[in-house]
Amino acid sequence: EDQVTQSPEALRLQEGESSSLNCSYTVSGLRGLFWYRQDPGKGPEFLFTLYSAGEEKEKERLKATLTKKESFLHITAPKPEDSATYLCAVRVTGRRALTFGSGTRLQVQP
Amino acid sequence: GAVVSQHPSRVICKSGTSVKIECRSLDFQATTMFWYRQFPKQSLMLMATSNEGSKATYEQGVEKDKFLINHASLTLSTLTVTSAHPEDSSFYICSAQGTYNEQFFGPGTRLTVL
Repeated sequence: EDQVTQSPEALRLQEGESSSLNCSYTVSGLRGLFWYRQDPGKGPEFLFTLYSAGEEKEKERLKATLTKKESFLHITAPKPEDSATYLCAVRVTGRRALTFGSGTRLQVQP
Repeated sequence: GAVVSQHPSRVICKSGTSVKIECRSLDFQATTMFWYRQFPKQSLMLMATSNEGSKATYEQGVEKDKFLINHASLTLSTLTVTSAHPEDSSFYICSAQGTYNEQFFGPGTRLTVL
């Protein structure tokens, strides 16, 4: 069974304090790993797609990386507006739907 | 680009009534759309995969007669919660599959059944 595990469940940072969120996965055949940001009461907002080990993508203060077992979402010098739940999801061979992890709730304090 | 809308954003209904939720891809065509349900502080749970012009594929444990899905065009999928009960109260989110298999999500619909 495909599994996606995110850690930590919750993370509180001071503004400017860089950190990383982890997404580990056990799947039969990875066809893509996706990162989303979700604000309370809203739908997830697409951030990145990673397809193969070693791939990296950046967007403003966020950088996503991928290995054969896990992905990291690095947040550099976060600001309070980066506070949200960050979701990781995988797409596997033979299945169009995504399997989501439980998310990391990030709070950045000024 | 890649905007997905949902309507309504909030709905309150009485137990026993049916509620229809619309999901539209505004600037792209989507042969596949997905419907999720999300409980407070939990992740998204896939309910069904909606295929344009054919029947939806439901996840195990999801009642197809209770959650009716119609994907009538390349830009519209609807979810109808039939004979809603308080336990159906939840946040329902749709997504549409893009060209490179990424999924773009709608803003969600908060359903409250009294």
